[in-house]
Amino acid sequence: GQNIDQPTEMTATEGAIVQINCTYQTSGFNGLFWYQQHAGEAPTFLSYNVLDGLEEKGRFSSFLSRSKGYSYLLLKELQMKDSASYLCAVKENTGFQKLVFGTGTRLLVSP
Amino acid sequence: EAQVTQNPRYLITVTGKKLTVTCSQNMNHEYMSWYRQDPGLGLRQIYYSMNVEVTDKGDVPEGYKVSRKEKRNFPLILESPSPNQTSLYFCASLGLAGHEQYFGPGTRLTVT
Repeated sequence: GQNIDQPTEMTATEGAIVQINCTYQTSGFNGLFWYQQHAGEAPTFLSYNVLDGLEEKGRFSSFLSRSKGYSYLLLKELQMKDSASYLCAVKENTGFQKLVFGTGTRLLVSP
Repeated sequence: EAQVTQNPRYLITVTGKKLTVTCSQNMNHEYMSWYRQDPGLGLRQIYYSMNVEVTDKGDVPEGYKVSRKEKRNFPLILESPSPNQTSLYFCASLGLAGHEQYFGPGTRLTVT
């Protein structure tokens, strides 16, 4: 089974950089996803890591260390619209696209 | 436009009254899934389907049924809803070649 931990809430200032951590314990790992979810809306895909290292996509980057069971999502040049929940999800190695989600980190960006 | 649609978006019903939440995708995706989202518990998978007529239980299947008679549709059926099924429900789909799951807009269900 999976156990995924991420902070419940974080706050940051517009223009700053924030790092949201995710740790996981798994019996079979086949990739890690980050999703963004605004209140009352559907999650939207941000990134996918299956190999160790950093994946950069514009203002957002995601890092993975499989040996440490650790990932982070880095958001640069924060904007007010980045206020949302960020969901870490691990893909199990037992079935096709079986995703297990963490409870999410609510990020509040203030002016 | 590639999308996943769900209906209804909002539903208030009473205990025991059978209901169906529809889900449809226009991307010819093989894989479809249903999740429920509750405060403090995150997204939990209810059922998933790897193709037509192939369905399997997720982590919280009790009280739910699904069917996959056509590739584009994956309805969620609550035969006898109970108040503990009050939740926000999301349908999602994925193609074999991709990693990104597309989520529907969500259905907020209240069972009284």
